Amino acid sequence: DAGVIQSPRHEVTEMGQEVTLRCKPISGHNSLFWYRQTMMRGLELLIYFNNNVPIDDSGMPEDRFSAKMPNASFSTLKIQPSEPRDSAVYFCASSYIGPYNEQFFGPGTRLTVL
Amino acid sequence: AQKVTQAQTEISVVEKEDVTLDCVYETRDTTYYLFWYKQPPSGELVFLIRRNSFDEQNEISGRYSWNFQKSTSSFNFTITASQVVDSAVYFCALSTGGNNRKLIWGLGTSLAVNP
Repeated sequence: DAGVIQSPRHEVTEMGQEVTLRCKPISGHNSLFWYRQTMMRGLELLIYFNNNVPIDDSGMPEDRFSAKMPNASFSTLKIQPSEPRDSAVYFCASSYIGPYNEQFFGPGTRLTVL
Repeated sequence: AQKVTQAQTEISVVEKEDVTLDCVYETRDTTYYLFWYKQPPSGELVFLIRRNSFDEQNEISGRYSWNFQKSTSSFNFTITASQVVDSAVYFCALSTGGNNRKLIWGLGTSLAVNP
């Protein structure tokens, strides 16, 4: 079975540009998580969805960040406009809503904003 | 408040040594779940194990073993006869399950296994 799929794997952009990160969760999973990882702040949860509905977006840094999940098999994280401090690795993870909730991670998108 | 503490920031060992990674958690919930993840130099986060609060039985998987002790709120991870391929950052995490899907993460322990 395919794991969590993220695209692109690497993104280099200039400050002010719009960036869209994409994620396809594991089939059958109904929770989806977006994380950001930096050396300074470690692993931070940005937002998560249950059954395509955003449940907790308290980790979203500011209005420049937005996330959508139009269906069970696709989610996007958009940054507009991007800033150098957004440079990080962004992970998407999915899990199944059940007694246990281990999350399975995608390979991540390494974003560099110049 | 829920919290996960991994007091060891970095550990360096020589191949074939045993090494234990510490994880201490805080929660007031009686039902909760503990996890360990591995992040090798390639960057992906790999799920290793999940433990629920009602099962204090220790777990062994090959060279890996986990010691869950509710009395000390600890969920420690031991690698026996370490290998260079074990070099990674290891994260401990906590969840109270139910409708709350969030994991509370420790800051990770970076393990370097030297030949």
